[in-house]
Amino acid sequence: DAKTTQPNSMESNEEEPVHLPCNHSTISGTDYIHWYRQLPSQGPEYVIHGLTSNVNNRMASLAIAEDRKSSTLILHRATLRDAAVYYCILRDPRGSGTYKYIFGTGTRLKVLA
Amino acid sequence: DVKVTQSSRYLVKRTGEKVFLECVQDMDHENMFWYRQDPGLGLRLIYFSYDVKMKEKGDIPEGYSVSREKKERFSLILESASTNQTSMYLCASSLFLGSGSSYNEQFFGPGTRLTVL
Repeated sequence: DAKTTQPNSMESNEEEPVHLPCNHSTISGTDYIHWYRQLPSQGPEYVIHGLTSNVNNRMASLAIAEDRKSSTLILHRATLRDAAVYYCILRDPRGSGTYKYIFGTGTRLKVLA
Repeated sequence: DVKVTQSSRYLVKRTGEKVFLECVQDMDHENMFWYRQDPGLGLRLIYFSYDVKMKEKGDIPEGYSVSREKKERFSLILESASTNQTSMYLCASSLFLGSGSSYNEQFFGPGTRLTVL
C-alpha cells in the first residue's frame, strides 16, 4: 500500500485560509486521494477526495500536483470548529470491494481565535 | 441522518474477561469495519465484513474476533482481554458500490474507550 506523509501539527488563525500538505511519492496511477478529519471526541468524517483534477465541495478544496506525488487540502476560512486531526489517505478502488483505508497519524490542526 | 452507534462510550474490564463491543448502523450498508486508535499509531484496521456472516482480517486481528449475524450489526469480541488492548475502538460502515467506484465514504461511530485493568 502506498504511504502518505503529513506534518504532525499546524496552526492557523481564525478566518484565514489553511493549506494542509500531504506527500505521496509512491502513489500509483489508480490511487484516489481521500481526506478525512477527526474532531475531538468523535470518529473520523469524510472531507473530500480526488484523482487528478482539483476538487471543491462545501467543506474544502483539494489541490493535486500535476505529478500526483503531493496534494493539499485547503480550508478557505478556518473556524474554531475546524480544529481537528486531518488524515490524507490513498485508496485503490479496483480492490476486492472492501474499500479498506489505511489511516496514518494525520496532521493536528490548531485554530487560534 | 446517517448513523453508526456503538454500545458504550466508556468501558472498564478486567484482564481475562470476555468483552463484546457492539456496533449498529441504520444505513443498510454492506461493509462494516472495526479499528483501534492509539496515540502515535493512528487508526489501525482490526477486522472488516462485506456481508452477513462474511469477515476478513485487517492489519491487527490477533486477540480479536468478530461476528456479523445481521446486516446492521457488527460485533468485536475480545476473547480474553489483556492490558495491551486498552484503546479507543471505532466502528465504521460503508456502501458497496461495486469495484471501481471512487466514492466510498466510511461513516464512523463515536468510539468506545476501553480500559483493561
